[in-house]
Amino acid sequence: EIVMMQSPATLSVSPGERATLSCRASQSVSSNLAWYQQKPGQAPRLLIYGASTRATGIPARFSGSGSGTEFTLTISSLQSEDFAVYYCQQYNNWPPGITFGQGTRLEIK
Amino acid sequence: EVQLVESGGGLVKPGGSLRLSCAASGFTFSSYSMNWVRQAPGKGLEWVSSISSSSSYIYYADSVKGRFTISRDNAKNSLYLQMNSLRAEDTAVYYCARDGVVAAAGPYYFDYWGQGTLVTVSS
Repeated sequence: EIVMMQSPATLSVSPGERATLSCRASQSVSSNLAWYQQKPGQAPRLLIYGASTRATGIPARFSGSGSGTEFTLTISSLQSEDFAVYYCQQYNNWPPGITFGQGTRLEIK
Repeated sequence: EVQLVESGGGLVKPGGSLRLSCAASGFTFSSYSMNWVRQAPGKGLEWVSSISSSSSYIYYADSVKGRFTISRDNAKNSLYLQMNSLRAEDTAVYYCARDGVVAAAGPYYFDYWGQGTLVTVSS
């Protein structure tokens, strides 16, 4: 099973600043990586797939990069609605299945 | 508008069974693989199972293999998860999620999610 590791566990950033979230895979997943945002009490929302393609309706301040084992989600200028938990997910290794990172909580500084 | 609405959650004793349903609308259900993803209270996301558009390909996480059965009825635009031999560690919100790739054997990434249904396994 491919293990996805996200860092940091919690990131404190001020509104208007840039946030950089990391995701590392235990083995190469090529560009088969997605990012999700989840707010309390809500379902996850797809942000990025294919490591760098924004999903429909996602603002341009969200960008993804990386390939192989190292990936980054960047939020260029944080808005109040961006404070949430972010998960990465690989879909390169199936079967047996896909795996998620443990999440990064983005909080207001 | 794509909508996924889960139902069937509730409180069940260890060893018991439960059947979850997901009603889909706003898209051609028969063209997409569908998935169940769960989230234990205060924890992260865990993929549970996937079924391709025509039910030809079915996959399970090791944690549920042999206990859970995924199925779908394209005529009713519905997805199901039959959960047997439930354990305390199955306690979670269960989400129905559409695969982001049309006509794929799946799973890939998940572009639409329902609001989830809570399953609590406790005596």
